[in-house]
Amino acid sequence: EAGVVQSPRYKIIEKKQPVAFWCNPISGHNTLYWYLQNLGQGPELLIRYENEEAVDDSQLPKDRFSAERLKGVDSTLKIQPAELGDSAVYLCASSWDRETHNEQFFGPGTRLTVL
Amino acid sequence: RKEVEQDPGPFNVPEGATVAFNCTYSNSASQSFFWYRQDCRKEPKLLMSVYSSGNEDGRFTAQLNRASQYISLLIRDSKLSDSATYLCVVKLNTGGFKTIFGAGTRLFVKA
Repeated sequence: EAGVVQSPRYKIIEKKQPVAFWCNPISGHNTLYWYLQNLGQGPELLIRYENEEAVDDSQLPKDRFSAERLKGVDSTLKIQPAELGDSAVYLCASSWDRETHNEQFFGPGTRLTVL
Repeated sequence: RKEVEQDPGPFNVPEGATVAFNCTYSNSASQSFFWYRQDCRKEPKLLMSVYSSGNEDGRFTAQLNRASQYISLLIRDSKLSDSATYLCVVKLNTGGFKTIFGAGTRLFVKA
């Protein structure tokens, strides 16, 4: 069974440019998460989807970040415009549902460098 | 104060050693607890869940103390392949499910 797929794996852009990341969760997983991970830190939640509904986007910087999961399957996270401080690894994860005991499966992440 | 705090590390231990990691959480509404492992430049992967009665998986033992809001992970007979970052994870339901990761503790096991 395929795991969580993310693309691109690496992205280098100049500040003020837009960038988009794509995630395809494990088939059948209703819950999808986008995390940001800085070096030496744990993942920090940006947004969580239950099917196509964004149920927790309280940590998403909405002035420049947006996300969508239109058909309740794959998802896109966008930054426009990117800032130097956005350089980080962006991780996508999925789980069967929101229940507290469900394991989250992570994709390999997209490593973003903003110059 | 961070919601989930871990030993700062790094821990440098020889092969065969026993090493213990500690984690404290601040929200008493926390319901589920986990340890994830993250290899360098890789994604986190579930190592084990942590149950109230404590649980063991081979060389790994996890303990939970709800009264003290404390979680631990014990690794016995360390292997070179155990070198990684260990992330403490807490899930809570405060009107909506929330997952909080600690900053991680880095372990280096040396020959």
